[in-house]
Amino acid sequence: DSGVTQTPKHLITATGQRVTLRCSPRSGDLSVYWYQQSLDQGLQFLIQYYNGEERAKGNILERFSAQQFPDLHSELNLSSLELGDSALYFCASSASGGITDTQYFGPGTRLTVL
Amino acid sequence: EDQVTQSPEALRLQEGESSSLNCSYTVSGLRGLFWYRQDPGKGPEFLFTLYSAGEEKEKERLKATLTKKESFLHITAPKPEDSATYLCAVQASFNQAGTALIFGKGTTLSVSS
Repeated sequence: DSGVTQTPKHLITATGQRVTLRCSPRSGDLSVYWYQQSLDQGLQFLIQYYNGEERAKGNILERFSAQQFPDLHSELNLSSLELGDSALYFCASSASGGITDTQYFGPGTRLTVL
Repeated sequence: EDQVTQSPEALRLQEGESSSLNCSYTVSGLRGLFWYRQDPGKGPEFLFTLYSAGEEKEKERLKATLTKKESFLHITAPKPEDSATYLCAVQASFNQAGTALIFGKGTTLSVSS
């Protein structure tokens, strides 16, 4: 158990809908990262937050947004869902968000778009 | 562009048959190479971080090594419970303050008894 929690575990929804994925980092960690894992693309970085502020953005679609709250939990919002958004979404956390930090991953949310 | 390539894509071993997984990387200034283990449908589990060429780390039957262009994950006398996908990643910098892991596609290891 990494100490990172994610809810829900599974999410099934229809195209065009909007969903919110939630992540709580390890105790004491200030930085949160979101990754998407699909069968053909592997693990892809989406976005990083540090202490409530956006730090880095990867290949995140405009339909996706995220935020980190004062209690350090983070939410990833996915809207206008398409079939291709079906994937595993992972949250990771690290102590300071620094370049040598180790990232610890949560158990993931499996999103299925029908 | 930072890039990570892992080989082979899949590896089948008999219990006790040692082998190595390869991770080659191109990155502008290595700040850390990471190995993770991932079981199906689960989150990646951290194994090792290597920071400089020549560094080695061990954990049970696993040993990770690092050169200037690649890393190896050596598995000695594997057991069926070592079956998993092993992911290699490098830490990349984004903008000036951000950071993220760039992952390879992984090597799926199957160990049969």
